[in-house]
Parts: sequence; structure tokens; C-alpha cells
Amino acid sequence: NAGVTQTPKFQVLKTGQSMTLQCAQDMNHEYMSWYRQDPGMGLRLIHYSVGAGITDQGEVPNGYNVSRSTTEDFPLRLLSAAPSQTSVYFCASKTKQGASYEQYFGPGTRLTVT
Amino acid sequence: DQQVKQNSPSLSVQEGRISILNCDYTNSMFDYFLWYKKYPAEGPTFLISISSIKDKNEDGRFTVFLNKSAKHLSLHIVPSQPGDSAVYFCAAGTFQKLVFGTGTRLLVSP
Repeated sequence: NAGVTQTPKFQVLKTGQSMTLQCAQDMNHEYMSWYRQDPGMGLRLIHYSVGAGITDQGEVPNGYNVSRSTTEDFPLRLLSAAPSQTSVYFCASKTKQGASYEQYFGPGTRLTVT
Repeated sequence: DQQVKQNSPSLSVQEGRISILNCDYTNSMFDYFLWYKKYPAEGPTFLISISSIKDKNEDGRFTVFLNKSAKHLSLHIVPSQPGDSAVYFCAAGTFQKLVFGTGTRLLVSP
């Protein structure tokens, strides 16, 4: 049971390049989400999904696309990277267990855009 | 407009004493509240949670208190240990959307 996995761990992009951050979970959680963490800003929600085929925007969605074709995977795409997207990205998943919304995070991807 | 605020960027306590971390929120529709612990270069780790129908939840050395009228929650760690030194984030929201505070760095000295 690996929990939530993310690849790559580190990535450097040039402005205008595209890439996909991968996220997978093996806990059969219906809910998955992407956050970014910037200094002094806490974690901010980018996009989330409540199940395969269903996605929605979070607090800071501009510049990012997502899709959810399977329960396990929730990739985050940057179509044209900008320096403002330099950040640490965390993927998370959770399920409802009674009244518990315990959410598990992946180890993060550190992205630098030059 | 920050919906979840952690006004203390840092806190230092001695080993064995109580650590109290505070968090304030503004949205009365929030029905679930969580605390996370984060070490450098790792993802946040879930610590403890509380729903809006409760005012206290305990798990070992960790207790979370919720004061809905004041829109305030706190995390108590008793006794504090050096391994508790980390950044602590509170989060509040609904199942679909959580809003995180900016974090409090806790340092527990021997």
C-alpha cells in the first residue's frame, strides 16, 4: 500500500514549456486534489475531483488543467509554464469515513520555471 | 481575504510542557477542521480532525478544541517532545474544499 505517489520529485522548466505532474493513489479514494505551497501562503487548492470523469476548480486554477479518467490517477497539466508557477505541488486524496474527512498527501513535486 | 488565519508564525516551548497552536476562521459554513504537521521536503501528515458538531477531540497527546461562536480552533500537544518540531497547518472547510492557514513553526527544545 503506497498511499499517494507523485512524480517527478523535482523539475525545472523554461517559460512556455509544458509538462504533466503525475499523481496516483492506491486507496480507492473517490476524492483527489492538487495544492500548491508557496512561502508564507500555506497550501492553496488548484483543482479537485470527486470521482472519475468529474473535476472542478479550486482557489487558484488559472494556468492548470486536470482530468480524471480513472479512480487511481489525477494528473496536473501545465500547458505553458510561467515563472509564477514556481512552487511545490502536493497531490492529496481522501474518502468519507462516517464524519471523518481524513486527507492523505503525496510527498510533493518541486517545480522551478525559469 | 484569508478565510483561515494562523496569526503566530512561530512558537517555542520546552520539552514536557504544553504547546498550544491557534487558528481562526471566518466562514460559518465550514463544517470540518483538521490539523496537519509538515517536515521539510515532505508532504503534510494528518494529525487530528474535528467536525462542527463537536467541541473537542482527543488522540493521544493531541487535542483539538473548536469554539464555533468565536470561529476559533486550537491544537494542544501535551507533553511536547523534540520530535514535534515542525510546521503545523490548520485547515477548515467542507468535504470538497479545504482552506489552509499559513502555518505555525513549532520548536520544542530539550
